[in-house]
Amino acid sequence: EVRLVESGGGLVQPGGSLRLSCAASGFTFSAVWMTWVRQAPGRGLEWVASIKHDGTEEHYVDSVKGRFTISRDNAKNSLVLQLNSLRVEDTAIYYCAKNGGSPDYLGQGTLVTVSS
Amino acid sequence: EIVLTQSPATLSLSPGERATLSCRASQSIRNLLAWYQQKPGQAPRLLIYDASNRATGIPARFSGSGSGTDFTLTISSLEPEDFAVYYCQQRYDWPRTFGQGTKVEIK
Repeated sequence: EVRLVESGGGLVQPGGSLRLSCAASGFTFSAVWMTWVRQAPGRGLEWVASIKHDGTEEHYVDSVKGRFTISRDNAKNSLVLQLNSLRVEDTAIYYCAKNGGSPDYLGQGTLVTVSS
Repeated sequence: EIVLTQSPATLSLSPGERATLSCRASQSIRNLLAWYQQKPGQAPRLLIYDASNRATGIPARFSGSGSGTDFTLTISSLEPEDFAVYYCQQRYDWPRTFGQGTKVEIK
């Protein structure tokens, strides 16, 4: 059974940083692209970033380029999203997702709130 | 960036009725379109990938069609658990993008 468990969310002030983690199990993590998707309160889904199975290729939505960094540790079956220079508009539930094309599994998400 | 426009924004139907949801892409995306279902407080669930392929465990009442710029998700006979928000998503190019969603509500 595929399991994706996110952690690391919380309340942070504008300009602050957070590190989100995703623990993956139930599939060969090192063989698949991984993705982060977010959803602002009461809004739709937004793709944030994806990383290739071996970590050699990354893609980001324009609004987070230069501020967010996606990374992975295949030895630990772990996906990370480093969030820097956070803005109020980054407030959202962040979902870890399996696959870089059309994600076939998403975790339950972790809430990031950016507010002063 | 490829823009996906879904219509209608809200669909009011009764259980047992047929639902037809549309998604239009701003350029051709071949058949590289997926559909997701999201219920309140839950993560999105993949229903259809590559326009017409049902994901694992998805009931046969869900079907997808289309290619190029125009796509359709059809629910042949609505069950009570099908009332939810539906999103389309393209994987033709980076950045991946989602439509704004169609809410299927009980009439």
